[in-house]
Amino acid sequence: GNSVTQMEGPVTLSEEAFLTINCTYTATGYPSLFWYVQYPGEGLQLLLKATKADDKGSNKGFEATYRKETTSFHLEKGSVQVSDSAVYFCALSDLRGSQGNLIFGKGTKLSVKP
Amino acid sequence: GAGVSQSPRYKVAKRGQDVALRCDPISGHVSLFWYQQALGQGPEFLTYFQNEAQLDKSGLPSDRFFAERPEGSVSTLKIQRTQQEDSAVYLCASSQTRETEAFFGQGTRLTVV
Repeated sequence: GNSVTQMEGPVTLSEEAFLTINCTYTATGYPSLFWYVQYPGEGLQLLLKATKADDKGSNKGFEATYRKETTSFHLEKGSVQVSDSAVYFCALSDLRGSQGNLIFGKGTKLSVKP
Repeated sequence: GAGVSQSPRYKVAKRGQDVALRCDPISGHVSLFWYQQALGQGPEFLTYFQNEAQLDKSGLPSDRFFAERPEGSVSTLKIQRTQQEDSAVYLCASSQTRETEAFFGQGTRLTVV
C-alpha cells in the first residue's frame, strides 16, 4: 500500500544552519505531497504542498520539490531560526484531488538552538 | 469559530469505559476527517464525512469505534469498551471541500488506564 518514510529525529541544529529533512514515498498513481508542521502546543498546520512531478512547494523559507524519479519530497531551509523548532510531518494524499485523506510519516522533531 | 475546536483536550478513561470525543469544525466546512496519532507516530486516517454522510470509514480499527455528524457540523467520535491500545491523540480536521486545505484541531489526548 501507499506509505511515507521520513528521516528519524530528533534533529538538533544551531541557528542559521542549513536544514534537510528527507522524505520518500511509495504510491500508485499520482499522489499530492505535503509537509505539515506542529509547533509545541498547537495543531498540525500545512507548511507547503506540491501536486505534480517537478512542482516546488515553498513557504516561510522552506521548500520541497516533488521528485517522481526518486519518489522523494525532501524539506529544506537555508537558514533555520529558533522559532522553527517543531515536529515536521511529510504526507501524501492517496485519493486524487483530496487534501484531507492523508498518509503521514512518523514525524521529525527539529530543535534549533541559539 | 476561528479554528477547529476539539474537546476535551485530555481524557483519562478506565479500561472498559465508553468515551465520546467532540469536534467543532470551522463554520461552513463540508468535509471533516478524524485521525488517530499514537505516541511517536504520524496521524493515521480513521474516517471522513461530507456534510452528514460518512463516506469513508476504512480506517476505523474496530467496531468499537463509531463516528457521527448528524447535522453536518459537529462530529463525535465514540469509542466503546476502551482498551489500552486506544491510548492516542485523536485529531479532527475540516476543509471547505475535499480538495481544499484541511485545518487541524489541537486534538484530544486519550489515556486508557
